Amino acid sequence: AQKITQTQPGMFVQEKEAVTLDCTYDTSDQSYGLFWYKQPSSGEMIFLIYQGSYDEQNATEGRYSLNFQKARKSANLVISASQLGDSAMYFCAMSLGNAGNMLTFGGGTRLMVKP
Amino acid sequence: GAGVSQSPSNKVTEKGKDVELRCDPISGHTALYWYRQSLGQGLEFLIYFQGNSAPDKSGLPSDRFSAERTGGSVSTLTIQRTQQEDSAVYLCASSLSGTHSYNEQFFGPGTRLTVL
Repeated sequence: AQKITQTQPGMFVQEKEAVTLDCTYDTSDQSYGLFWYKQPSSGEMIFLIYQGSYDEQNATEGRYSLNFQKARKSANLVISASQLGDSAMYFCAMSLGNAGNMLTFGGGTRLMVKP
Repeated sequence: GAGVSQSPSNKVTEKGKDVELRCDPISGHTALYWYRQSLGQGLEFLIYFQGNSAPDKSGLPSDRFSAERTGGSVSTLTIQRTQQEDSAVYLCASSLSGTHSYNEQFFGPGTRLTVL
């Protein structure tokens, strides 16, 4: 069974600085997808970025980039130039390519951006 | 276009009563997912639909939980004889297809269920 681990329950970052949120995963499948979602206090889950297991380049979406290290089974999220609006819960998740693609989530990291 | 909608947004019920939670996916999305988010258990997968069929019900926590999807669109999650441990936020998500890992899932705002 697949597993996602986020070891940082909470983190602080100064506004305008970069921050890395850690995510490691465990699966024996070769085909899988890795996702990051943001959940602000309003509760909605907002998709941020996706990385496929066969993608050779790290995914980037605006200020978000995913540091994908396949051999280490890690998929860390890097947020550059943090903004106050980035304060939220961040979830790392994985789907398997042959299993209907339901998401397995990590426990989340609460990011707090300081002015 | 419209996103995923869920109703009701909040539901308070008494222990032992049945509840129905509704999800309207994004038009054209063939895959639909139910998840549960609670303080103690985090985010858990419940059930997945591809079209109207549910090939994976492995996440349903007990036989008190059931779900159906009609017309390849609206889905209803039913919890019978609710228990206090059923209190959680129930999230619905949809995606274009459930057959590729790169299909982003779009989430609804959730239904907060409180069982007294």
